[in-house]
Amino acid sequence: GAGVSQSPRYKVAKRGQDVALRCDPISGHVSLFWYQQALGQGPEFLTYFQNEAQLDKSGLPSDRFFAERPEGSVSTLKIQRTQQEDSAVYLCASSLEEDRGTQYFGPGTRLLVL
Amino acid sequence: GIQVEQSPPDLILQEGANSTLRCNFSDSVNNLQWFHQNPWGQLINLFYIPSGTKQNGRLSATTVATERYSLLYISSSQTTDSGVYFCAVVRRWMGGADGLTFGKGTHLIIQP
Repeated sequence: GAGVSQSPRYKVAKRGQDVALRCDPISGHVSLFWYQQALGQGPEFLTYFQNEAQLDKSGLPSDRFFAERPEGSVSTLKIQRTQQEDSAVYLCASSLEEDRGTQYFGPGTRLLVL
Repeated sequence: GIQVEQSPPDLILQEGANSTLRCNFSDSVNNLQWFHQNPWGQLINLFYIPSGTKQNGRLSATTVATERYSLLYISSSQTTDSGVYFCAVVRRWMGGADGLTFGKGTHLIIQP
């Protein structure tokens, strides 16, 4: 079956622009996670959904970051008024189970803010 | 939060060599995964191993949860094994799911 997909794969934005990043999880997966990976670092947790409910957004770096999963499948991570420090790879992962289990990662969206 | 330390940070080996990568963590965990991040940035699942031992071909992993460490073994290394290996954990708690906390990774280079 298909894995986690993300779009776009690459995004170049001018400072101050808004961007929207999309994640299609594996069909039937209850849990969805967003991570941010800076160059040369490990991924860092941003936010977590169980179905359509956002249960944890403690990792979102500022109120410019917003995520949603309105129908419990596709998720969108939105960044408003992008800054240069937002440049990173944004990774989405999904998991079949609610409270444990393997997380499967998508290929990521590489965001460059100029 | 939980701390994850990986060692060594960098490892250069000749093709055919064996290697052991270590992951130490600071708290009880519900989930521990090993990943290989390839040069294109894709995180590839190697093992889901919060405890015990698993093997998959030339790779094997052992987690000793009571002593809070995990080891990844790579035997008969190939150049395609090059990349960054991450250990990631979810701390054990009663509140449900949690995001993975990643270590800084081990950068492995296999020379022909």
